[in-house]
Amino acid sequence: RKEVEQDPGPFNVPEGATVAFNCTYSNSASQSFFWYRQDCRKEPKLLMSVYSSGNEDGRFTAQLNRASQYISLLIRDSKLSDSATYLCVVNDDYKLSFGAGTTVTVRA
Amino acid sequence: DTEVTQTPKHLVMGMTNKKSLKCEQHMGHRAMYWYKQKAKKPPELMFVYSYEKLSINESVPSRFSPECPNSSLLNLHLHALQPEDSALYLCASSRPAGTGDNEQFFGPGTRLTVL
Repeated sequence: RKEVEQDPGPFNVPEGATVAFNCTYSNSASQSFFWYRQDCRKEPKLLMSVYSSGNEDGRFTAQLNRASQYISLLIRDSKLSDSATYLCVVNDDYKLSFGAGTTVTVRA
Repeated sequence: DTEVTQTPKHLVMGMTNKKSLKCEQHMGHRAMYWYKQKAKKPPELMFVYSYEKLSINESVPSRFSPECPNSSLLNLHLHALQPEDSALYLCASSRPAGTGDNEQFFGPGTRLTVL
């Protein structure tokens, strides 16, 4: 079983739509969680950390459910610039475990 | 300064060449990482340095040799690579484990082609 499993998409949504996707992780002792975005042929960039209480950063909302071991990301009012691959990342001490990525394409 | 820099941006080398990739950060981070990323795959961890000491080697072949000369610099020495080693090599840095938020910040990567 993979350490982090992620809905691969692709999600193809119109501008202004809301899109949400999840990932699950296998290690119940995992301590910190992140969403990164990666544009084609670029490096991953930290989008947001994910906290147990849930957190919001502008149009982005992340939630963590430790009991069910899943993390979610919701993007409201999608912009063309949101088109990217979103990587679910679980951090156990030094080691980051990456999901395979969810591809989101926002169309005009 | 939240930037990790990497040089070169692109590198083409033959299987008999020796080359080095360089990474630098000035965020005061004491953990630094090398990752390898193939197309349409997530990054794969290769090495972790903590306080300038190698703490994790993910069974990487010896043709890849990391070096951490000081707390700001990380090198990856390459020798006798194979065409399948062609990939994007990413450097990252973070606070060490157990010292609070330890998000990793990635450099732009070196795109390596082995002929």
